[in-house]
Amino acid sequence: SQQGEEDPQALSIQEGENATMNCSYKTSINNLQWYRQNSGRGLVHLILIRSNEREKHSGRLRVTLDTSKKSSSLLITASRAADTASYFCATDGSNSGYALNFGKGTSLLVTP
Amino acid sequence: DGGITQSPKYLFRKEGQNVTLSCEQNLNHDAMYWYRQDPGQGLRLIYYSQIVNDFQKGDIAEGYSVSREKKESFPLTVTSAQKNPTAFYLCASNTGTGGYQPQHFGDGTRLSIL
Repeated sequence: SQQGEEDPQALSIQEGENATMNCSYKTSINNLQWYRQNSGRGLVHLILIRSNEREKHSGRLRVTLDTSKKSSSLLITASRAADTASYFCATDGSNSGYALNFGKGTSLLVTP
Repeated sequence: DGGITQSPKYLFRKEGQNVTLSCEQNLNHDAMYWYRQDPGQGLRLIYYSQIVNDFQKGDIAEGYSVSREKKESFPLTVTSAQKNPTAFYLCASNTGTGGYQPQHFGDGTRLSIL
């Protein structure tokens, strides 16, 4: 069952600009994760934020979490053409086995 | 380097045929997962396994089967009962302990119908 929903579905920016993607979810979570997928490849884990954290940084990535609004955002600063990919949020849910629920993703295009 | 290897990269299935997708990991992870990804869609869980010789159905298990005879291997069979098998299949693993840990993914198998 998909719980996370990313917004926008697609985003096109120029190199050097910042890219912001949002994720909304429906039920309470233990943590929320962001993944990146290059075309035709598997997903790569970017960052995990726990339910008791509000903000987390990793290099050019900044993730926020607002559990009261059941939403998260991923900010990529000073974007590069190599950041072109799809970005997915993933939440834990009621699944056993610690499987994740993935949204449909935001497709990011960064043009030189 | 440790990682997950999926093979083949591309696979074609004829009508009425079963096909098996391979997934091998050398990360010493206990838990393994199979997801299906359709164009423009997120990932949907097919099956998962937390330990050898045990596995559980995910959200879309019908028409699929798995086995977990070794810790390193979690093959997925797409049976003839799966009427719409064309998709990108992703295998993942994690430590399976301590909550919802990051998952490591293979590079997928793209399955098409002949």
